[in-house]
Amino acid sequence: DQQVKQNSPSLSVQEGRISILNCDYTNSMFDYFLWYKKYPAEGPTFLISISSIKDKNEDGRFTVFLNKSAKHLSLHIVPSQPGDSAVYFCAASAENNFNKFYFGSGTKLNVKP
Amino acid sequence: DSGVTQTPKHLITATGQRVTLRCSPRSGDLSVYWYQQSLDQGLQFLIHYYNGEERAKGNILERFSAQQFPDLHSELNLSSLELGDSALYFCASSPRLDGLGSDEQFFGPGTRLTVL
Repeated sequence: DQQVKQNSPSLSVQEGRISILNCDYTNSMFDYFLWYKKYPAEGPTFLISISSIKDKNEDGRFTVFLNKSAKHLSLHIVPSQPGDSAVYFCAASAENNFNKFYFGSGTKLNVKP
Repeated sequence: DSGVTQTPKHLITATGQRVTLRCSPRSGDLSVYWYQQSLDQGLQFLIHYYNGEERAKGNILERFSAQQFPDLHSELNLSSLELGDSALYFCASSPRLDGLGSDEQFFGPGTRLTVL
């Protein structure tokens, strides 16, 4: 039962352009969402998060948008840099079950110089 | 370097065997989470411990068990191993019990388990 889905296994973008990574979820109880970045041979590292009381959160080149009615979130990276090439995971948790985190299967981003 | 350590890095074993994966959280972190990442899959939440107590269980098989010790390190025990148990096993630590604000988790580099 995949409650968090990342339907694009890979994405290729030119350096300097915008990267948009998408994530869909099915559980309406989810109220906190996170994005993690993972380089090969390393564990995931936290990138940015958003609470369901917001629809946008920005941190430098990274912006996460949340559309609760569509149960959809996206991560925008502007401008994309070659060092952003990694696998990106979105994750979600629910306040009534906050110890559990549900991860998507990841999107591999390749930023071409 | 997240400050979370996992040993061993790689483990190759045979079906039917039992292995123990070890995780040392960041200094001061009381929460430890275990995840399994199979090939081309996302991270599957297995179990969460806080200060020695089990707090949440995910899709953890009965053949798997975990514990968190008084010094806060954690071990994940996998027994009667099957080919399908081959995966990357990550642990993560957090200073918090809860996900209120769902504080970020700091991941270790993972243990790659291969069952032959």
